[in-house]
Amino acid sequence: GAVVSQHPSWVICKSGTSVKIECRSLDFQATTMFWYRQFPKQSLMLMATSNEGSKATYEQGVEKDKFLINHASLTLSTLTVTSAHPEDSSFYICSASAAGDGETQYFGPGTRLLVL
Amino acid sequence: DAKTTQPTSMDCAEGRAANLPCNHSTISGNEYVYWYRQIHSQGPQYIIHGLKNNETNEMASLIITEDRKSSTLILPHATLRDTAVYYCMTPGGTSYGKLTFGQGTILTVHP
Repeated sequence: GAVVSQHPSWVICKSGTSVKIECRSLDFQATTMFWYRQFPKQSLMLMATSNEGSKATYEQGVEKDKFLINHASLTLSTLTVTSAHPEDSSFYICSASAAGDGETQYFGPGTRLLVL
Repeated sequence: DAKTTQPTSMDCAEGRAANLPCNHSTISGNEYVYWYRQIHSQGPQYIIHGLKNNETNEMASLIITEDRKSSTLILPHATLRDTAVYYCMTPGGTSYGKLTFGQGTILTVHP
C-alpha cells in the first residue's frame, strides 16, 4: 500500500514553455501533498505544501506564480512550471500523507525536467 | 523540528548488519524520529519511525536511546540494493509534517 505515482517520469522542453507534472496517490487519500526539488549532488528541498481544496503554502524563496500547484482532489496534485528556463532543470519529487497516518510521507518516483 | 546529525558515509559488507547512527539531542517530547532512504535517481522511500520505543518492521529496526537524544537504524542483513543515502529526520514541533532533508549518510554495501 501507500503508492504514489508521478507523470511524466522525464520531460524535455524548450525555454519559455510550461510543463505540468502530475502526482497521484494510488491506494489512499492524500490530505496533504508536498513538492520537492533536487539539484544534482544536493539534498531534497521542500518547495510547497498543499492541502486538498486550499491554496498551497510555498517555502521562502519559491515563486508561487512560477510554480503553480493545484490539489483539486484527495488523490491528485499538479505542479506546473510556467515559462520554464534552463535553471529550472531539476528532479521534481512529490510526496503525500494520509489522514490518520501521522507525519509519514510517501514519495513518488520523481520527474526529471530538462529545459533547453 | 530538531536538528539531526549523521555521519557522512559508511561502508558495510553484504550480509552483515548495517548500523546507522543519528544524533538529535534537541528533540522534544512529542517529536517522532523518521528514517527515509534515497536510492540513486529515485524518490525517497519511507523506512521506519518511532517515538520512544524500539520499532521493527520488514525493512529495519529502530533503536532509540532512553533519553531520546540519539537513535540507530539497523538493517539486519544488508544487501547491495541497500546502497543509498539514509536520512534521519524529526518532522514535529513547529514544522509539523515537514521533512527537512539534510545531507544524510551515504551507505555503501560492498560484496
